[in-house]
Amino acid sequence: SYELTQPPSVSVSPGQTASITCSGDKLGDKYACWYQQKPGQSPMLVIYQDTKRPSGIPERFSGSNSGNTATLTISGTQAMDEADYYCQAWDSSTVVFGGGTKLTVL
Amino acid sequence: QVQLQESGPGLVKPSETLSLTCTVSGGSISSYSWSWIRQPPGKGLEWIGYMYYSGSANYNPSLKSRVTISVDTSKNQFSLKLRSVTAADTAVYYCATLGGSQTFDYWGQGTLVTVSS
Repeated sequence: SYELTQPPSVSVSPGQTASITCSGDKLGDKYACWYQQKPGQSPMLVIYQDTKRPSGIPERFSGSNSGNTATLTISGTQAMDEADYYCQAWDSSTVVFGGGTKLTVL
Repeated sequence: QVQLQESGPGLVKPSETLSLTCTVSGGSISSYSWSWIRQPPGKGLEWIGYMYYSGSANYNPSLKSRVTISVDTSKNQFSLKLRSVTAADTAVYYCATLGGSQTFDYWGQGTLVTVSS
């Protein structure tokens, strides 16, 4: 079965750039998307089709996908961005989530 | 804006069937495709299955033999049944819309289901 691998945790200082990776076999041939989940809340879509931001998502969130790795980048990271982030892709007709990355802003 | 609300028992006994309903407001259920996703306490997201508005469904291979998703358009609801549950099925269960970009656009607040005798 297809797997997506994320680092368990990433730390960043306020105002700096955070990068969260998601690795999978030939992931660049698929669309990747990203969800943000804050404690006690439901996940929220922040990036879809590799690079697109849904309405209302700040411009500091961006995405890329090439080769075997998709990356979520948060520029000028703010304290409010501290959350768990999950990548997701499709493998044929099935949905695959990455294991999630806890972003700590300190 | 579409709003989703999960409902169902918070406690299910081992070997029994977990049954949840997602009620849709702010839109017609016939306009969307639907999915269930779960999250064990302290762990990551696991996709359970989806049903397209056309009626075709697809399930996580690891759960396929135990899962059924159905839609009741007259009630603007869709449902999840998970049979023969064990403690490993304890999780927060979310219902979500599956949008045109093949992403989960709207989510319910989630409901915790505990499997225990």
